[in-house]
Amino acid sequence: DTGVSQNPRHKITKRGQNVTFRCDPISEHNRLYWYRQTLGQGPEFLTYFQNEAQLEKSRLLSDRFSAERPKGSFSTLEIQRTEQGDSAMYLCASSITTGELFFGEGSRLTVL
Amino acid sequence: GQQVMQIPQYQHVQEGEDFTTYCNSSTTLSNIQWYKQRPGGHPVFLIQLVKSGEVKKQKRLTFQFGEAKKNSSLHITATQTTDVGTYFCADPRGANNLFFGTGTRLTVIP
Repeated sequence: DTGVSQNPRHKITKRGQNVTFRCDPISEHNRLYWYRQTLGQGPEFLTYFQNEAQLEKSRLLSDRFSAERPKGSFSTLEIQRTEQGDSAMYLCASSITTGELFFGEGSRLTVL
Repeated sequence: GQQVMQIPQYQHVQEGEDFTTYCNSSTTLSNIQWYKQRPGGHPVFLIQLVKSGEVKKQKRLTFQFGEAKKNSSLHITATQTTDVGTYFCADPRGANNLFFGTGTRLTVIP
């Protein structure tokens, strides 16, 4: 499968714990995006990488959230001291241009 | 600030009926994209419209971009149960950010 891969697909954690999600984009895609989606809403932009450089972060991204793409390939999204409001689907997408985004299946986070 | 409103929020149709969803912006858009998300799935790109007044067709789907590039529509002719899902329009915010509307959830009754 050469699509965008995300893991874990599901994560249940207790409030206050840290969680990390991984995204492996399509290999030749230099652009990588993280989105968050809650039930009944559209995907909400979190952050964008071009190669290894994080070029844009949403103002909604609190300091508990950090994302990396160390070698310009896979990316990780870490949430520290999780809160119940962090429960959502975290979607990764990649692209090679400013056009079509290719989304992964997402990582669903449940914070108890 | 720039906002894209999508209507309706929900639509239930009998199989075989037509369906239309609309996106309206308060400002001129450089382009607009449409995505479909099946229940339990992830968004899948359908199309990108760039030119004023552009109309594109994909089988039973017709996409339009308004002359003023402030609105767009997606029309499905003779819906099928496979059309079920949420349809999102998305507009670029700056060079790196794609903003998704709230979506229209389509239910097709067999």
